[in-house]
Amino acid sequence: GAGVSQSPSNKVTEKGKDVELRCDPISGHTALYWYRQRLGQGLEFLIYFQGNSAPDKSGLPSDRFSAERTGESVSTLTIQRTQQEDSAVYLCASSPFGGDTEAFFGQGTRLTVV
Amino acid sequence: RKEVEQDPGPFNVPEGATVAFNCTYSNSASQSFFWYRQDCRKEPKLLMSVYSSGNEDGRFTAQLNRASQYISLLIRDSKLSDSATYLCVALFNQGGKLIFGQGTELSVKP
Repeated sequence: GAGVSQSPSNKVTEKGKDVELRCDPISGHTALYWYRQRLGQGLEFLIYFQGNSAPDKSGLPSDRFSAERTGESVSTLTIQRTQQEDSAVYLCASSPFGGDTEAFFGQGTRLTVV
Repeated sequence: RKEVEQDPGPFNVPEGATVAFNCTYSNSASQSFFWYRQDCRKEPKLLMSVYSSGNEDGRFTAQLNRASQYISLLIRDSKLSDSATYLCVALFNQGGKLIFGQGTELSVKP
């Protein structure tokens, strides 16, 4: 498919476990974004990448959260020692050149921490 | 203060009504602005970009006031299918960070 792909679509994990969320952006898109959306809330900025670099990590909620991008393509968001407040939909978006162009979103990963 | 703030919702309007959403942003250096639409349990999708001169796309009109750091979206002749959450978005830092407002929910009733 030509769109942004995220996996898994749903993840249920036990409190304290680590989880890894994956995002495959549209081919050729240099900018990639991660957001968190809690139920009934807006999109909370986590991090963005230009190529493989992350100029702004200020949105990561704690040191349990980390993200990387390789080959200017796939990105992974890792949450260590998950807590119940981490339960949310994690959305990834990509855009061709950065924020001045349309960002295309994946369908998200719904994370539930029990 | 949030970086991008929107009118609290929900807005409940009858079909055919005109409705306006407002948004303010905190960073005067922001360069680009957008309105996105998000349907229930779906991902956001671009509705329209917002240009300094104002722009129109069918029933939708977007306005930008840089002096007041204010963006608006006007929907005329609203349809049932316009029911969704509308997200105001600002680009912070050159070529970087897209910040979303918390969204305003619109419900158009028959």
